Amino acid sequence: DAGVTQSPTHLIKTRGQQVTLRCSPKSGHDTVSWYQQALGQGPQFIFQYYEEEERQRGNFPDRFSGHQFPNYSSELNVNALLLGDSALYLCASGTGYKNIQYFGAGTRLSVL
Amino acid sequence: AQSVAQPEDQVNVAEGNPLTVKCTYSVSGNPYLFWYVQYPNRGLQFLLKYITGDNLVKGSYGFEAEFNKSQTSFHLKKPSALVSDSALYFCAVRDGAGNMLTFGGGTRLMVKP
Repeated sequence: DAGVTQSPTHLIKTRGQQVTLRCSPKSGHDTVSWYQQALGQGPQFIFQYYEEEERQRGNFPDRFSGHQFPNYSSELNVNALLLGDSALYLCASGTGYKNIQYFGAGTRLSVL
Repeated sequence: AQSVAQPEDQVNVAEGNPLTVKCTYSVSGNPYLFWYVQYPNRGLQFLLKYITGDNLVKGSYGFEAEFNKSQTSFHLKKPSALVSDSALYFCAVRDGAGNMLTFGGGTRLMVKP
């Protein structure tokens, strides 16, 4: 049984470009959350998707958007990239808000 | 707004000795508390959670955590540390109504032989 899978593992972009990160949840999970982890810091919540809708959003600008597909997989899109967007982007999946969120290995985004 | 504090950037302990990694939290309502561990170039791995019930929670790899409501703390403990326990540890809180996890800044645990 595969866990949470994310692609790509590494990505290099330049300022102003757009990027799409992908996440496949653990089998049986229907909720996907995205987090940004800057170097030396704890993860910060970006948003969560359930039933193909954004259910909750953290303190991130509208440049960060997402989507959840009928098979529960999800994409994170970031427009107009800034140097400060360089981070490890983590996807987590789960079932329900009381339950454990399982994390993928992340996508390392470098913005030059 | 909910928050988590991990007051120690790094904890050093000798192999075989007990370890404690500290965490305090602030949240409205009943807290849902979690500990995760992160190894280099890896995602976060779940260790244990407190939702309700006994204040001492047992988790993976011999780790346990003690919930203290009056001190709003949820310290991670292990009776005998292993060199392989060396990693970055994160405490997180979720309130009863929301879905987001709020993480502390992390504590690096170094276990020396």
